[in-house]
Amino acid sequence: EVQLVQSGAEVKKPGESLKISCKGSGDSFTSYWIGWVRQMPGKGLECMGIIYPGDSDTRYSPSFQGQVTISADKSIRTAYLQWSSLKASDTAMYYCARHGGGEGYFDYWGQGTPVTVSS
Amino acid sequence: EIVMTQSPATLSVSPGERATLSCRASQSVSSSLAWYQQKPGQAPRLLIYGASTRATGIPARFSGSGSGTEFTLTISSLQSEDFAVYYCQQYNKWPRTFGQGTKVEIK
Repeated sequence: EVQLVQSGAEVKKPGESLKISCKGSGDSFTSYWIGWVRQMPGKGLECMGIIYPGDSDTRYSPSFQGQVTISADKSIRTAYLQWSSLKASDTAMYYCARHGGGEGYFDYWGQGTPVTVSS
Repeated sequence: EIVMTQSPATLSVSPGERATLSCRASQSVSSSLAWYQQKPGQAPRLLIYGASTRATGIPARFSGSGSGTEFTLTISSLQSEDFAVYYCQQYNKWPRTFGQGTKVEIK
């Protein structure tokens, strides 16, 4: 069974850096695109970007380009989302999710990592 | 960027009744349309992909239809566990975009 397990909740101050992770199970992790999806409090879903762990090919949604960095380490089946300088507006739940069937829908989701940025 | 617009924002339905949710794309997405269900405190769950194909383990009371710019998710007979927020998502063009969601609540 495919599982995506995300790192735990984070509480940070504005200006701090952060890297959260998403670990996949199974040998197929490197064969599927993995995406990061933001959900701000009480709001909808936004795709931030995707990465192909097999070769680290990455695409960013225009709204998030330059704001975050998506990376992966295929040797440990883990994808990452990082910020160099957090803002209060980065407070949100962040999900990783797998693209299914080689297409662009998300068939398996992590449990989410809540990030709170507050002074 | 393709804008996805869902209607209504909130749908009040009695258990056992039929629910019809709509999703409109600002330009054609062919059949590259998925539906998700999200319950409070949970990650979204894939219901439908390819506009009309049910994901693994999804009950037959969920059905999707449409192509191009107009799509519909129908829940034929609402069960208590179906009260949730539903999102559509297009994956025809980058970036992937979601609708703002439809909340299905108990009438």
